[in-house]
Amino acid sequence: DTEVTQTPKHLVMGMTNKKSLKCEQHMGHRAMYWYKQKAKKPPELMFVYSYEKLSINESVPSRFSPECPNSSLLNLHLHALQPEDSALYLCASSQDRGQGRETQYFGPGTRLLVL
Amino acid sequence: QKEVEQDPGPLSVPEGAIVSLNCTYSNSAFQYFMWYRQYSRKGPELLMYTYSSGNKEDGRFTAQVDKSSKYISLFIRDSQPSDSATYLCAMSNGSSNTGKLIFGQGTTLQVKP
Repeated sequence: DTEVTQTPKHLVMGMTNKKSLKCEQHMGHRAMYWYKQKAKKPPELMFVYSYEKLSINESVPSRFSPECPNSSLLNLHLHALQPEDSALYLCASSQDRGQGRETQYFGPGTRLLVL
Repeated sequence: QKEVEQDPGPLSVPEGAIVSLNCTYSNSAFQYFMWYRQYSRKGPELLMYTYSSGNKEDGRFTAQVDKSSKYISLFIRDSQPSDSATYLCAMSNGSSNTGKLIFGQGTTLQVKP
């Protein structure tokens, strides 16, 4: 089963709200990723967790805060977002990193609209 | 210059045509090559994965890697309207320090009935 699930599917929030995106995988993968994707653009890497530790932060603003409670779950906490943060947020997982094990499986995404 | 170049299209073909999608890259360290298919408003779906040079076939899909030319291709035989989507190439150098995939811009394909 190569399934990554994400909730919610859609989210509308105001600029003062706090919300969280959730991601889950049960493939035993040890690396998990958050991406942001704008229309007609490729996914843009935000964060990488490896063995439940943050290993890459692509200079993402602090209004995005990732969390990895365990090896199957990945959260993205959102606070004081801007309208330009509206996008499709994708979670992905891979077996590991390096030597081809970073082939990633994506979830369906959360479509976020910030008003 | 981007590390990975991919023509965004759109590419429009009649049903049953053979489709050729391509990416070029500049980093000779790339060893792992992937093709993803993304339907509108959905997450990318892994279609093909290839290590180093050579061909790989899976049903109607064939992936080719030519490392000497830094060029990868995805061929779709007997294309169907359901193949209409954006196709993203992605590649990595296999370094355990990053695990990052470098994506092309994506090619939008439309297969007309």
